[in-house]
Amino acid sequence: AQRVTQPEKLLSVFKGAPVELKCNYSYSGSPELFWYVQYSRQRLQLLLRHISRESIKGFTADLNKGETSFHLKKPFAQEEDSAMYYCALGGSGNTPLVFGKGTRLSVIA
Amino acid sequence: GAVVSQHPSRVICKSGTSVKIECRSLDFQATTMFWYRQFPKQSLMLMATSNEGSKATYEQGVEKDKFLINHASLTLSTLTVTSAHPEDSSFYICSARRQGNEQFFGPGTRLTVL
Repeated sequence: AQRVTQPEKLLSVFKGAPVELKCNYSYSGSPELFWYVQYSRQRLQLLLRHISRESIKGFTADLNKGETSFHLKKPFAQEEDSAMYYCALGGSGNTPLVFGKGTRLSVIA
Repeated sequence: GAVVSQHPSRVICKSGTSVKIECRSLDFQATTMFWYRQFPKQSLMLMATSNEGSKATYEQGVEKDKFLINHASLTLSTLTVTSAHPEDSSFYICSARRQGNEQFFGPGTRLTVL
């Protein structure tokens, strides 16, 4: 069964501090992982996907198949990074993305 | 870019009435759309997967007779909440899959049942 675990409901960091949002997954096949972000009063939007291997807004995430993790990292947090972050696991065919419960990131000035 | 719209953005209705929410992919064709429900400060809960031209697949615990889904074209899916009750008040979000596994989300519809 597909499962995504985000162990932290809330993460508070000071501006300029490093950020790591944890995500672990369970999937028997070849996973496709995503991070979505939801800013206050805005729709959910894609932040990055592991196959792109890109950095968006300073965030990066590396898929670690050995540890079944896809942690989201940023070296220096900004106040505008405060939002809800969801890790998602993609299946195949018409199967929908499976979302974690989300982590609320709060960046304190 | 890939844009998904929802209409209405907010609806208030009386208990017992039915409410229809539209989800449109504006600049791409979506063979598959998904409907989610989101409670305050909680994650998205998948309600159903909607495939164009076929019956929707509902998640366990979601009443298909209460939440009617129609996916009549490659750009439109509708969710009708029938005989709405206050406990149906929630934020309903649709998403559309364009290619691969990437899903694009609508802005959501806030339903308040009095």
